[in-house]
Amino acid sequence: GAGVSQSPSNKVTEKGKDVELRCDPISGHTALYWYRQSLGQGLEFLIYFQGNSAPDKSGLPSDRFSAERTGGSVSTLTIQRTQQEDSAVYLCASSPGLRNGYTFGSGTRLTVV
Amino acid sequence: KQEVTQIPAALSVPEGENLVLNCSFTDSAIYNLQWFRQDPGKGLTSLLLIQSSQREQTSGRLNASLDKSSGRSTLYIAASQPGDSATYLCAGLSGTYKYIFGTGTRLKVLA
Repeated sequence: GAGVSQSPSNKVTEKGKDVELRCDPISGHTALYWYRQSLGQGLEFLIYFQGNSAPDKSGLPSDRFSAERTGGSVSTLTIQRTQQEDSAVYLCASSPGLRNGYTFGSGTRLTVV
Repeated sequence: KQEVTQIPAALSVPEGENLVLNCSFTDSAIYNLQWFRQDPGKGLTSLLLIQSSQREQTSGRLNASLDKSSGRSTLYIAASQPGDSATYLCAGLSGTYKYIFGTGTRLKVLA
């Protein structure tokens, strides 16, 4: 696509439920990144995928968080048993490679009630 | 470990003023430095990307510089306008292949 697409744009979920967030990167971009931005905070790295290499999961805050990238394109970030502290904007970015600039999607605002 | 700091955290200026936003980073072995703009409730829009071999980049009224030896980058905005009001974020890319972000400068340009 022309840009990075994220869905849904907003998600309200009850504490304890699982959620899936989707990111569709720019066509041809081999690198895909997930960050989260909590209210009033900076961007926190979560995970990145580059081509067929093993993902860098070093930023995932707990084992409730996981992500996959199927076919080198679309990625899904899954949060299991959501907690209130998971409330944040989840941002996805893609780039042509690991040493290029990012293009961000518009984010998914997750609210856990 | 790369750390990125932005000063000031907030800035309010009258329309028409030229201004400088500062970004400092700890790891001088930086590959790229990227500046973004974020409007309230929105994602990040890329403004300028400076590669390690470059000293500066320009786009319209924006000019960004990179000084690896001092660990600093500056974003210069000429003739500021109310539409420039936003949060400006800088991010550095080094050996871990993920951009590390500063906490941003919240800019308000008064009409």
